[in-house]
Parts: sequence; C-alpha cells; structure tokens
Amino acid sequence: RKEVEQDPGPFNVPEGATVAFNCTYSNSASQSFFWYRQDCRKEPKLLMSVYSSGNEDGRFTAQLNRASQYISLLIRDSKLSDSATYLCVVTSYNNNDMRFGAGTRLTVKP
Amino acid sequence: GAVVSQHPSWVICKSGTSVKIECRSLDFQATTMFWYRQFPKQSLMLMATSNEGSKATYEQGVEKDKFLINHASLTLSTLTVTSAHPEDSSFYICSAGDQAGGPLGTDTQYFGPGTRLTVL
Repeated sequence: RKEVEQDPGPFNVPEGATVAFNCTYSNSASQSFFWYRQDCRKEPKLLMSVYSSGNEDGRFTAQLNRASQYISLLIRDSKLSDSATYLCVVTSYNNNDMRFGAGTRLTVKP
Repeated sequence: GAVVSQHPSWVICKSGTSVKIECRSLDFQATTMFWYRQFPKQSLMLMATSNEGSKATYEQGVEKDKFLINHASLTLSTLTVTSAHPEDSSFYICSAGDQAGGPLGTDTQYFGPGTRLTVL
C-alpha cells in the first residue's frame, strides 16, 4: 500500500465548478499535512497547510480527519488558472520527511 | 518566501557520462536539503537527505554510489548522477527548509525549479 494515496483523476470541470480532491495516508504518526500545486514541468509550490480544525484560503478549503487518516481539498468557483496537478503531502516529523501522493490532475475548461 | 535555485535547469548527455546538479538556498541557510526524482505522470519520490558536513541519508532502493551527494556548505548541495543511463532520465528537484519555523513551529520546505535530465 502506498504511503499517500490520492484520487487518480483526471478531473475535467467547467469554469465556476466546485471540485473536491481526496487523499488518504497510511502512517498514523504523520504530523503535518499539505496540499501542493504543480504545474507541468515545474516544481511543486505550497498551496496550503492542512489543520485538524480545517482551514480556508479564499476559494480553497482543506480538511483533515486524523481518525480516518483522510485529507481533502475543495476548490470553489474554479478558474482556468487552477488547472494543475494537486499533490497531497504528508510529513512525519518537522517537515523533514515529506511523502507525496501521485497527484490529481485538474483541468478547468471555459 | 525563501528562494531555492537549481542549476542546470535541463541537461542532455550521452549514456555513461556523469552529470552534476547544484541546489542552492539563496537567502537562507539550510543544514538539510532533500533530493527528489519525478518520472512522467508520477509523484515526487524522495531519493536522499543531504546533511551539511556529513554523509547523505539515502532512501531504500537508491544507490548511493550512483547518486553522489555533497553538502559542502549551508547553502549548497550537489547531486552527481554517475555513469548516467537512459533510465536515469527524469526530473530532479531539490528542497530546503528555512528553519525559521512555520505556523506549527516546523520548517517550511521550499523547492528548487528542478533539473530535467535526458540521457541519450
């Protein structure tokens, strides 16, 4: 079983749609959780951290369920510029042991 | 945020040659840097942890004699792919933490722009 698993995608949605990505992790000792965005042939960039209480940043909402070892990302009012691969990242200690999901490809169409 | 650079951004080489990739933290010091490899349509896989002033720690399945890592200073780590072969063709990305402590009191990892290696 992979340490971090994500929806395989791809997700193709129209502009303005709401889309949700899911991620599960196997290591119950995991401490920190993140969503990264990766554009084609570019490095990953931090989108947002994920906290147990859930957090929101504009159109993006992240949720963490430690009991189920499950993380989600919700994107509302999708924009064309949201098209990218979204990586779920889990770390075990001090962000020095990052494990990445395979990523979910999102394409937002006009 | 902090900036991490990599050089070169892309390289094409013949099979059997060695390729060196540099990773620099431009405005902060990093005692630890990380090297990842990403094959097409796959996620990043951690190859090794580069420790300033000591030996790198390699992930299981990564050959330390093939992927030489040197972390000579607090701002520079190098990855040398020795005797490269076509199967080593990949996107290599480094990351470094600024150790300033994020919201959870932990490091924030910043990624370099990556180096695309093609071995003919």
